[in-house]
Amino acid sequence: EVQLVESGGGLVQPGGSLRLSCAASGFIFSDYWIHWVRQAPGKGLEWVSRIKYDGTSTFYADSVQGRFAVSRDNAMGTVYVHMDSLRVEDTAVYYCVRGARGYYFVDHWGQGTLVTVSS
Amino acid sequence: QSALTQPASVSGSPGQSITISCTGTSSDIGNYRYVSWYQQQPGKAPKVMIYDVSNRPSGVSNRFSGTKSGNTASLTISGLQAEDEADYYCTSYTSASTYVFGTGTRVTVL
Repeated sequence: EVQLVESGGGLVQPGGSLRLSCAASGFIFSDYWIHWVRQAPGKGLEWVSRIKYDGTSTFYADSVQGRFAVSRDNAMGTVYVHMDSLRVEDTAVYYCVRGARGYYFVDHWGQGTLVTVSS
Repeated sequence: QSALTQPASVSGSPGQSITISCTGTSSDIGNYRYVSWYQQQPGKAPKVMIYDVSNRPSGVSNRFSGTKSGNTASLTISGLQAEDEADYYCTSYTSASTYVFGTGTRVTVL
């Protein structure tokens, strides 16, 4: 069974940093792109970032470009997103999501981890 | 990277058909057939219902169908059922090699 388990969320002050982790299991991790998607409380989904299966390419939404950095450790089956210069508007549930292999959509979602940016 | 535009809400009676539109630009929907649709039930993670404009993953009811014309994609739910009540989001691949989601549509079964 495909599983994606996020961790690392919590309360952080504006301007602070946080690192989220996503532990994957149930599939060949090194064969898949992994995305991060977030959802602010009571709001819609927002695509944040994605990282290639071998870690050689990353892409970001304009809203986080230059502040977030995604990386992965294929030996550990884990993806990370390091978030700097956090803003109140970054408050959201962050989902780790698997890209469907060979396709341009996502097919498995984690349950999410809540990041709250507040003073 | 502005969000794709969807109606905030759509409603219908059981058995009816409803259609949700998703309007983008020539940099996303208009230039690619990589449009997908997701259903999100309250408190749950989203589930893919349609990919590549009109393809259904295995296990998704054939009451769900998708189309695209120009910069606008559409999701149709036929034979509306109470269990279809949820939020629906479209998404598209973009010319910047990123993705963009729609603003979301709340479907209510009357």
